[in-house]
Amino acid sequence: DAGVIQSPRHEVTEMGQEVTLRCKPISGHDYLFWYRQTMMRGLELLIYFNNNVPIDDSGMPEDRFSAKMPNASFSTLKIQPSEPRDSAVYFCASIDSDSYNSPLHFGNGTRLTVT
Amino acid sequence: GEDVEQSLFLSVREGDSSVINCTYTDSSSTYLYWYKQEPGAGLQLLTYIFSNMDMKQDQRLTVLLNKKDKHLSLRIADTQTGDSAIYFCAETSMNRDDKIIFGKGTRLHILP
Repeated sequence: DAGVIQSPRHEVTEMGQEVTLRCKPISGHDYLFWYRQTMMRGLELLIYFNNNVPIDDSGMPEDRFSAKMPNASFSTLKIQPSEPRDSAVYFCASIDSDSYNSPLHFGNGTRLTVT
Repeated sequence: GEDVEQSLFLSVREGDSSVINCTYTDSSSTYLYWYKQEPGAGLQLLTYIFSNMDMKQDQRLTVLLNKKDKHLSLRIADTQTGDSAIYFCAETSMNRDDKIIFGKGTRLHILP
């Protein structure tokens, strides 16, 4: 199993540009989570999906952030327009809810720098 | 709302035991987890404990849970340089649709 795959690993962009982060969850996992990690705030849950349907997006900081999951094997997190304070590491994670004590499987993250 | 707290930094000499502490607020927590994050990588589950247990041991790792005080600890025996990482405490509750709450992470620094 390849695990959760995120791309790109690093993204550097200028303020005002659109940024799209991508995630491929583990096959068969029915929950997908997007987290943001910063030193000051730790890991913040932005949004999560169950069977491709967004369940809770209360962690999405602003309307500039949007996430989609068009099918069970792909999700995107988009920031438009990006701002320097969006600089962080963004993690995608997935889980199989049939195994209640199954751990969250994390991707290696996308390090976003907005200048 | 629910919260998980842990200290941000811990320094330990190589060969000593490391003890990382965590407190949480949700009394209905069902599973509690310790995740390890190495530089440039995602979080990897180290161990977990069900809320009706008070101790779990796995090789060099010992997890202690005091449910009354809502306190969780992770002890790493004979700490090695490879243990240098960020350790995240996390918990989940069946009352919260499987949403997992994470602490901010404890950065474990190994002294020579």
